[in-house]
Amino acid sequence: AQSVTQLGSHVSVSEGALVLLRCNYSSSVPPYLFWYVQYPNQGLQLLLKYTSAATLVKGINGFEAEFKKSETSFHLTKPSAHMSDAAEYFCAVTLSGAGSYQLTFGKGTKLSVIP
Amino acid sequence: NAGVTQTPKFQVLKTGQSMTLQCAQDMNHEYMSWYRQDPGMGLRLIHYSVGAGITDQGEVPNGYNVSRSTTEDFPLRLLSAAPSQTSVYFCASRDSASNQPQHFGDGTRLSIL
Repeated sequence: AQSVTQLGSHVSVSEGALVLLRCNYSSSVPPYLFWYVQYPNQGLQLLLKYTSAATLVKGINGFEAEFKKSETSFHLTKPSAHMSDAAEYFCAVTLSGAGSYQLTFGKGTKLSVIP
Repeated sequence: NAGVTQTPKFQVLKTGQSMTLQCAQDMNHEYMSWYRQDPGMGLRLIHYSVGAGITDQGEVPNGYNVSRSTTEDFPLRLLSAAPSQTSVYFCASRDSASNQPQHFGDGTRLSIL
């Protein structure tokens, strides 16, 4: 079984400031982890994924995330926020290995960027 | 390259009515799934399919039926709509390997009066 906890349902940052969105997971076996972004009235778009290669993963739009097994975390960061980053972000986990089908999502973090 | 296509985009139903939400993908993905998204709840898995003729229940299956007669299509049926089913519904597909990301449609916004 697996689960995801996203700390903070709403995060506000100033334009140009660091973005940090927190994700902690629980998994009975080594996980695969994903971050998705959802813009208003749209579907989910993949930002980046961790699949047991490099622990620091770079994604689109300048985002990156670091897998920390000891902390069971996969926090999403971006050095400098842009207005276009305002959206809702979802962390998701699935189990590695054959026969793993279910992707479990966190409840999401809505990011606001203040000019 | 269409990806995952959902129809309709919006729908209003009365309690007790039935309808089918359509989902089609053109990526030859074996795995397809349906989620509902409610405010503050994230996405919750309703049903999924690992190939034509094979379906299984997710976290919130009650009130929904699915079938998978072809690789491309995975319709979601509401047999007797209830106000609690007011939600945004997303269909997704994925390659069979679990380390691959899911590709999402643009969603169907469903209101049950």
